[in-house]
This record gives sequence, C-alpha cells and structure tokens, in this order.
Amino acid sequence: QKEVEQNSGPLSVPEGAIASLNCTYSDRGSQSFFWYRQYSGKSPELIMFIYSNGDKEDGRFTAQLNKASQYVSLLIRDSQPSDSATYLCAVNGWTNAGKSTFGDGTTLTVKP
Amino acid sequence: DVKVTQSSRYLVKRTGEKVFLECVQDMDHENMFWYRQDPGLGLRLIYFSYDVKMKEKGDIPEGYSVSREKKERFSLILESASTNQTSMYLCASSNTTVGQDKYRDEKLFFGSGTQLSVL
Repeated sequence: QKEVEQNSGPLSVPEGAIASLNCTYSDRGSQSFFWYRQYSGKSPELIMFIYSNGDKEDGRFTAQLNKASQYVSLLIRDSQPSDSATYLCAVNGWTNAGKSTFGDGTTLTVKP
Repeated sequence: DVKVTQSSRYLVKRTGEKVFLECVQDMDHENMFWYRQDPGLGLRLIYFSYDVKMKEKGDIPEGYSVSREKKERFSLILESASTNQTSMYLCASSNTTVGQDKYRDEKLFFGSGTQLSVL
C-alpha cells in the first residue's frame, strides 16, 4: 500500500462544475497536509494547506481533512479551464522529520 | 516571493559523465530538497538537507550525492550518469515552523526544474 494515495484519474468536469479530488494516507502520525498544482511542463506550486480536522476555504478552493478516516480532499468550485492541471497531495508528520510524502497526482481537465 | 533557481532548464549528458545540478534559494530557508519526477512514478525524494553541511538520504539516493556548503545553495551530483537517470529534477526549499498545536509547517517552494537527458 502506498503511503499517500490519490484518485487515479484522469478527472474531467465541465466548466462551472465542482471538481473533487481525494487523497488517503497511511501514517496516523501525519499532521500537515498540502495540495500542490502542477501545470504541464511546470513545477508544482502550493495552493492549499490544512492542519486541523474540518474545512478550510480559500476562494474557489476548499480543503477538507478527516484525520480519523485518514482522508484529505480538495474541492474546486466553479471550475475553470485554467484549473486544468495535475494536483498533488502531500503529507508531513513528526515521524518523517519534515519530509513531504507525495501522492502520484490526479490530472484534472475542465472542459469549456 | 520565494525564489528557487535551478541553473539549467534542459541538460543533455553522455553516459559516464559527472553531472552537477545547482539550486539556489533566496529566502534564507533552512531546508532544501532534491526530487526527481518520472511519469507514472510521481515525485521521489533523492536527498535533503536541514542545514549547511548536513545531508540526509531520501527514498532513492543510489547513484547520487549532494553538497551544501552554503545555506542558499544545494547541489545534486551524478557521479557517473546513466540512462536510467534521465528524468525531471526538481529542487525545493522550505522553512520549519512549529505551530501552536505543534504541527510542522513545511510548505515547499519548487524551482522550475531541470530536464536531464542521459544518452
């Protein structure tokens, strides 16, 4: 079992819809959770981070964390073609001394 | 804005050559990382460093070494390049801050990457 698993994708949604990206992790000691966006041919950039159970909203993005279920998700409301990218889930914890463990990513396509 | 600069965007080398990939960050970050990214394999950590002259092995250190003589600079060295080291190499930096609930807050800032081809 991988330490961080994401929907295999690809995920395709129409413009204006809600895109839902999911991530599960195996290390119960994990404490910090990050979502990175990576456009084709570019490097990853941080878009959201969450530490506490519940929801965290930033504009059209909402990160959701459920530590009991070891589950973190990213919702993108009113999806735009410019949101088309690969989204990487990353997890940190005390046990791995600050090294981020990444999922393989989910590729999202938003169709006009 | 944090800037992480990698010396080359594209690099072509021959099998057996010694290859240096350079990375410089300008935000006084403590931590620096080297990842490689391959289709279907995701991001894999090669080496990282928490301080000058410090280095720790990541998940796939074989065939690589690193050097951190100054805080802002972290170099990845391929001692004898092989074709299976053809990949996208990404440098990243971060700071470690401990929040109120004692969480580690290590947001990574990536360089633009070096696409290395070993022929």
